[in-house]
Parts: sequence; structure tokens; C-alpha cells
Amino acid sequence: NAGVTQTPKFRVLKTGQSMTLLCAQDMNHEYMYWYRQDPGMGLRLIHYSVGEGTTAKGEVPDGYNVSRLKKQNFLLGLESAAPSQTSVYFCASSQGRNQPQHFGDGTRLSIL
Amino acid sequence: KQEVTQIPAALSVPEGENLVLNCSFTDSAIYNLQWFRQDPGKGLTSLLLIQSSQREQTSGRLNASLDKSSGRSTLYIAASQPGDSATYLCAVTRAGGSYIPTFGRGTSLIVHP
Repeated sequence: NAGVTQTPKFRVLKTGQSMTLLCAQDMNHEYMYWYRQDPGMGLRLIHYSVGEGTTAKGEVPDGYNVSRLKKQNFLLGLESAAPSQTSVYFCASSQGRNQPQHFGDGTRLSIL
Repeated sequence: KQEVTQIPAALSVPEGENLVLNCSFTDSAIYNLQWFRQDPGKGLTSLLLIQSSQREQTSGRLNASLDKSSGRSTLYIAASQPGDSATYLCAVTRAGGSYIPTFGRGTSLIVHP
């Protein structure tokens, strides 16, 4: 049982480049989330989804877009990467709002 | 805006001690509170989730309590072991609106043999 899988695990980008982070879960969870974790800031929610075909903004959505075309996948896109987006990105999923969240191991993204 | 504070920021104890980690929040209108552990270079692992209507949850050597009126939660770890060494985070989801969770910055715990 893989749980939540994030791809890639590491990436280095140049300012202005674009990329997509992929999150896949095999637990048939309805809810999926993208967070970023920065030193001294804690985890902050970027976007989330409450079901296939739905997305919603979190606390820090600017500069990111997301899509949930299939229930098991949640994609996070950076259209024009900026150094301020250097961070560790975590994906999580849960069966419902009042259910525990299950996290992936993160994607470490550096933007030069 | 919900603010979540965890005290202490770091803790080092000998094996076998009973521990209390604290989490305080500013808005008592919460939906739930979760405790997680995070190992270096890894994602978060959910330990306990306390719903707004509950006062405590227990799992093995872990017990989490919730006092909404005072804006506090505690995570009690009994008979600590070196394998408990990790960063412990609490996350508070506020009731109403978008249900966005707010995380504390964590308590870094080292249990030495």
C-alpha cells in the first residue's frame, strides 16, 4: 500500500521556468491538499480539493495552479517559478474534513 | 486569524520520562485539532485527531487532550523512547468558512538513551 506518492522528490529550476508536481493517492480519499513548508513559517496550505473536478484556494495560492482531473491525482503547477517559491512541498489526502490527513514524503524544490 | 503556538520549541529528555507537549490557539471556534510527528526528511504522520466535540484521544502511549475554552491542547507521551525522537506538530482547523488548517511550528523532541 503506497499511500501518498509525490513526484519528483527533488528538482532545481531557474527563475521563470515552469513545472508540475504530481501527487497520487491509492486510498480512494475524497480530499487532497498541497502545502509548502518553510523554515520558521510552518506548513501553509496552498490549494486543496474536496473531490474530483474541484479545487479551492488555501492560505498562500498566488503563483500556483492546481488540477484534479482524476480522483487519485492532484497536480500542482508553477507557471513562472520565482526564488520565493523555493520550499519543500507536501501533498496530503484524507477521506473527509474530520479524518486524519496522510502525507507524502515531499518534493524539495530549489529555484535559482 | 487563527494563530497556533507550540511550547517548548525544543526538548531533550532521557529515555523513560513522561512528556507533555503544548499547543495553544487563539480562536476557540475550531472544527478539529490534529497532532502529527515529522521525522527528518519525511512527511507528516498523523498521531491523533480530536474533534471539536471531544475532550481527548488516546493511542498506545500517546494521549491528547483538548480544552477549547482555554485554547489549549496537550500531547502526553508516556515512557518516552529514543524512537519517539522527531518533531511534533499540531494543526487546528477552524470551524466555518473554508476549513483551512493552521499549523504550529512544532516541538523538536530528542529522547536520548
